[in-house]
Amino acid sequence: DAGVIQSPRHEVTEMGQEVTLRCKPISGHDYLFWYRQTMMRGLELLIYFNNNVPIDDSGMPEDRFSAKMPNASFSTLKIQPSEPRDSAVYFCASSLTLSGNTIYFGEGSWLTVV
Amino acid sequence: EDQVTQSPEALRLQEGESSSLNCSYTVSGLRGLFWYRQDPGKGPEFLFTLYSAGEEKEKERLKATLTKKESFLHITAPKPEDSATYLCAVQATGNQFYFGTGTSLTVIP
Repeated sequence: DAGVIQSPRHEVTEMGQEVTLRCKPISGHDYLFWYRQTMMRGLELLIYFNNNVPIDDSGMPEDRFSAKMPNASFSTLKIQPSEPRDSAVYFCASSLTLSGNTIYFGEGSWLTVV
Repeated sequence: EDQVTQSPEALRLQEGESSSLNCSYTVSGLRGLFWYRQDPGKGPEFLFTLYSAGEEKEKERLKATLTKKESFLHITAPKPEDSATYLCAVQATGNQFYFGTGTSLTVIP
């Protein structure tokens, strides 16, 4: 398997624009996670899905953020409108279980909002 | 409040110079403690799981240990290829996951 695939790898956008990040999980993994990583706060869980259903979105910072998983092989994280403080690396991860020892991370989407 | 604190933030070692990284945690019920390695431009990669105080896991030059309040990642005779950021995470009984901010390790040849 190719692992968790994220796109785009890098994005620079202007404040106020819509940003869509995409993720293809590992086939057969029932769980999908979206994380945000910054120097100050480290890795923060934004939302996770089980069998395409959002289970916990308590980490989503505000209404500007939304995530969808229309099928088992695709998920999106959307920010609208984007703000400079959203600049971070966004990781998608997938897992067979909720345990941390079966989780595989993608290479991340580096977002810069200017 | 549940939290994970890693120290030091950065560590520079000479090749062969052994040391330890610390992960202290406060969580209401520990399901597991996890160590990950993160290379620049990559996502974290799983290293170890520890479930109870006194448990130890080893892999090559790395050994992870766990007490009731903290975990250590011991690096014995490190090599330049061990340079990376090492992340600690704890999973609480409610399945919440908390990551530390990591220790950036540089091993100088």
